[in-house]
Amino acid sequence: EVQLLESGGGLVQPGGSLRLSCAASGFTFRNYAMSWVRQTPGKGLEWVSSISVSGGNTYYPDSVKGRFIISRDNSKNTLYLQMDSLRAEDTAVYYCAKRPGEIVSGAFDIWGQGTMVTVSS
Amino acid sequence: EIVLTQSPGTLSLSPGERATLSCRASQSVSTKYLAWYQQKPGQAPRLLIYGASSRATGIPDRFSGSGSGTDFTLTISRLEPEDFAVYYCQQYGNAPLTFGGGTKVEIK
Repeated sequence: EVQLLESGGGLVQPGGSLRLSCAASGFTFRNYAMSWVRQTPGKGLEWVSSISVSGGNTYYPDSVKGRFIISRDNSKNTLYLQMDSLRAEDTAVYYCAKRPGEIVSGAFDIWGQGTMVTVSS
Repeated sequence: EIVLTQSPGTLSLSPGERATLSCRASQSVSTKYLAWYQQKPGQAPRLLIYGASSRATGIPDRFSGSGSGTDFTLTISRLEPEDFAVYYCQQYGNAPLTFGGGTKVEIK
């Protein structure tokens, strides 16, 4: 069964850091581009970052560029999201999501169950 | 940034009825790079449609997508009890990738 399992969420103070992980199973992780997507009640679904199969190409929207870093360890079948300089508006459920192929394109065909990040003092 | 506007916000229908959901883009979506997702409470979104009209693996044929350019439609031909949920459209042809605000399909 294809599965993505996020972890690492929690409560952090504004300006703090958090690292999310996403463990993949049931498919050949190194063959697929991956992404992070977040969801808040107020802003809905928002794409956060994407990474190529090798990890050599990464992409971010302006809202997180310079603060978040996506990475992957293909030997461990794991995707990461390092989040620094966190703000209250980063509070959300964070999902990791698989892309349908090697290139960083295509819809999000598999989603994890999500991990909650709360930024508050 | 491409803004996606979904309508209506809420659709109240009975099981067996036809549902028609709209997604309008602020500018043309490249090469039909438009997807639809279903989300139920407490669950992650699930991909239903990609490329504007192709059903994802395992999606029943009562779900269909159509449209191009700036106007797209998700149709559920006959609502089943498990279809009552929130539906989102998403464009993945232009960065940043963007989602619509969602349409809730509720039981009338």
